[in-house]
Amino acid sequence: EAGVAQSPRYKIIEKRQSVAFWCNPISGHATLYWYQQILGQGPKLLIQFQNNGVVDDSQLPKDRFSAERLKGVDSTLKIQPAKLEDSAVYLCASSLGAGDPYQETQYFGPGTRLLVL
Amino acid sequence: RKEVEQDPGPFNVPEGATVAFNCTYSNSASQSFFWYRQDCRKEPKLLMSVYSSGNEDGRFTAQLNRASQYISLLIRDSKLSDSATYLCVVNSPGSARQLTFGSGTQLTVLP
Repeated sequence: EAGVAQSPRYKIIEKRQSVAFWCNPISGHATLYWYQQILGQGPKLLIQFQNNGVVDDSQLPKDRFSAERLKGVDSTLKIQPAKLEDSAVYLCASSLGAGDPYQETQYFGPGTRLLVL
Repeated sequence: RKEVEQDPGPFNVPEGATVAFNCTYSNSASQSFFWYRQDCRKEPKLLMSVYSSGNEDGRFTAQLNRASQYISLLIRDSKLSDSATYLCVVNSPGSARQLTFGSGTQLTVLP
């Protein structure tokens, strides 16, 4: 079974530029998450989708970050304009979105490493 | 207070040693608990769920103490391949599917 796919794997940009990340979840997974992982910290949830709807985006800095999952499958996360503190790994995860939600496994993609100079 | 707190380590142990990691969580309403493993420059992967009765998977044993809001992971007979960061994970307040991650405990198993 194919895992969660993400691209690009690495990105270097200058501050104030814009950048976009793409994620394709595991086939059939209804729930998709974007996380930000800063070096030395655990992943922090930015946004959760259920199919093509947003479940929670309370931790997404909406003045500069946006995300969409238009057809309920793949998703893009955009940063515009980027700041130095956005340097991090951006992880996409997916889960089945059905059954017992308390025991659902999240499967992570390899992440996109972003460096903002 | 952080929602999920872990000792960051690093823990450096010889092969064959037993090592234990601890974690505390702040929200007494949390209902699901996990340990994830993250290898260097890789994505997190589920290691095991943690149940109130305690559970074991080979050399790994996880325990949950709801009264103390404390989770532990014990690794017996450590292998070189166990070297990784171990993330304590709890479901976020008010949400079953959303997870809150600790900052992780780094383990290095030495030959």
